[in-house]
Amino acid sequence: GAGVSQTPSNKVTEKGKYVELRCDPISGHTALYWYRQSLGQGPEFLIYFQGTGAADDSGLPNDRFFAVRPEGSVSTLKIQRTERGDSAVYLCASSFTPEAETQYFGPGTRLLVL
Amino acid sequence: KQEVTQIPAALSVPEGENLVLNCSFTDSAIYNLQWFRQDPGKGLTSLLLIQSSQREQTSGRLNASLDKSSGRSTLYIAASQPGDSATYLCAVDNFNKFYFGSGTKLNVKP
Repeated sequence: GAGVSQTPSNKVTEKGKYVELRCDPISGHTALYWYRQSLGQGPEFLIYFQGTGAADDSGLPNDRFFAVRPEGSVSTLKIQRTERGDSAVYLCASSFTPEAETQYFGPGTRLLVL
Repeated sequence: KQEVTQIPAALSVPEGENLVLNCSFTDSAIYNLQWFRQDPGKGLTSLLLIQSSQREQTSGRLNASLDKSSGRSTLYIAASQPGDSATYLCAVDNFNKFYFGSGTKLNVKP
């Protein structure tokens, strides 16, 4: 079956611009997670959705970052006024339920802010 | 805040060796622990999931153990193969907030 997909696979933008990153979870998965991975590091938790609502957004680094999941399926991570330090791979994962479940990861979006 | 540490950061072994990767975490109040594999430029693939009430899980040549009270997990890979070369990450689930280690980069030489 189809896995988690993320678009675009690569995004190059200029400092100060706005970007949107999209995640399509596995059909039927109610939990969706966003992570950020810098080179040589493990993924860092950003936000977790259960259905349409953000159950935990404590990992978002500042108010330039925002994520939505309006219909409980596709999610969009939005970054305003991008900075060079935002350059990283943004990973999305989903699971059938949040409790003690395997997470399935997408291939990630590689963001480069010039 | 939960901190996850993986040792060693990198490991190079000849094909056929058995090896152990280590993961330690500071907060033992976890739901579960997962081991992932990451190939260069790719996402993460789940290898093994150990619930907090379990001591170990096995899948093929892989065996993962969990000692929650001491905050430790190990991933044992038997009879390593060049195809096992990848970065191995452990992640702990602190009630729907996941914390990852920085990974162990494994190179298995033919």
